[in-house]
Parts: sequence; C-alpha cells; structure tokens
Amino acid sequence: GDSVTQMEGPVTLSEEAFLTINCTYTATGYPSLFWYVQYPGEGLQLLLKATKADDKGSNKGFEATYRKETTSFHLEKGSVQVSDSAVYFCALTSGGSNYKLTFGKGTLLTVNP
Amino acid sequence: DGGITQSPKYLFRKEGQNVTLSCEQNLNHDAMYWYRQDPGQGLRLIYYSQIVNDFQKGDIAEGYSVSREKKESFPLTVTSAQKNPTAFYLCASSIYRRGGYEQYFGPGTRLTVT
Repeated sequence: GDSVTQMEGPVTLSEEAFLTINCTYTATGYPSLFWYVQYPGEGLQLLLKATKADDKGSNKGFEATYRKETTSFHLEKGSVQVSDSAVYFCALTSGGSNYKLTFGKGTLLTVNP
Repeated sequence: DGGITQSPKYLFRKEGQNVTLSCEQNLNHDAMYWYRQDPGQGLRLIYYSQIVNDFQKGDIAEGYSVSREKKESFPLTVTSAQKNPTAFYLCASSIYRRGGYEQYFGPGTRLTVT
C-alpha cells in the first residue's frame, strides 16, 4: 500500500537558518504530493503541492520538488522565521483513490529567535 | 468567507456515552473526510464520503459512524465501542484543482473521554 516516511523530529533551528525536512514515499500509480502545516491547536493548512515529476511546489518561501527517480519530496526554506514553528506533514494521493490522503507522521519544527 | 466549521472545539464525555462531532462546510465541495490525530502518529482516516448519502470506511472505522444527508454536513459519532476515543478529530473536504485533489481542513475538535 501507499506510505510516506518523514524525517523524525523535533527539528530545532535558529532564525534565518536553512531548513530541510526529508520526505520519501511509496505509492501505486502516479501520486500527487503535498506538504501541510499545522500550528499549535489548529487544523492543517495546505502549504504546497506537486502533481507530476520535476514539478516544484512553492508557497511562503517554502519549496519542494517532486523527484520520481528518488521517490522524494523534500521541503526546504532558505531562511526560517520564528513564525514557521509548527508541525509539517508530507502526504500523497494516488491511483484509484486519488482523493484519499496518506500522511507521514509529521515533523515538529521549532525556530528560536 | 468559505470554510469548514467544527464544533465544539473541546468536548468532554464520560466513558460509555456516544458523542457526535459536527462538521459543516460552505465550500461546495463534494467529498468530505474525518481523520483522527494522536501524538506521534500523524493522521489516520476514519470515514470519507464522495457524495451525499454515500460514505466508505477508512483505515480505522471501528467504533465510529457517520451520515451524509446534506452536501454541507458530515457528522461523526464516536460510539461507546471505540476503545480509545480520546484524540484530536479533524474534518476535511476536497476539490479537484490544478491537476489534483486538494483537501482543506477544519480547526478540529479535541475529545476527552474519562
């Protein structure tokens, strides 16, 4: 079945540091890939997505590139802010169930001033 | 503003009682979902519905029930058969956009059963 593996957290960075959160997947068919962000006590917000190989999703300074050859979708940001502190989830939809999301376990990011 | 509403934000119940969590959306999305979130386990799909009067079990449906009588509403009942009901429950709806389905989430309901 489909699965998503994210790097385990927590990740702690200083403000303006470079961020990478690794995400790899296994899926049937040709998945769409997503990153969601969850701030404390809230629901999830769609951060970015990519639907085909070599697509780059981007939003709010975050980027991720769909790498079919390595089955990866790593999240990056060049300069993090304290306000980026949250839990980040990598997810996918694929195959005949392309409306159902399969999530990774989430990575907690804390950014210190 | 369009969005997904879940109520209440916090819910407390005694063991052995059924409880219903509300989810309403005014986004005109066809599909709706219920997820359960536990610390360190990510999100797990409980039930989903692609159209009115139809729904399917997700990965952890035991001890839960749903209905979809209206497009806007997808309530979840946590029954007394659910062994570990204390969790954060998230409702979502989805739309096909820009080459793929995108799910949008409500703010969640934190259920505590003692």
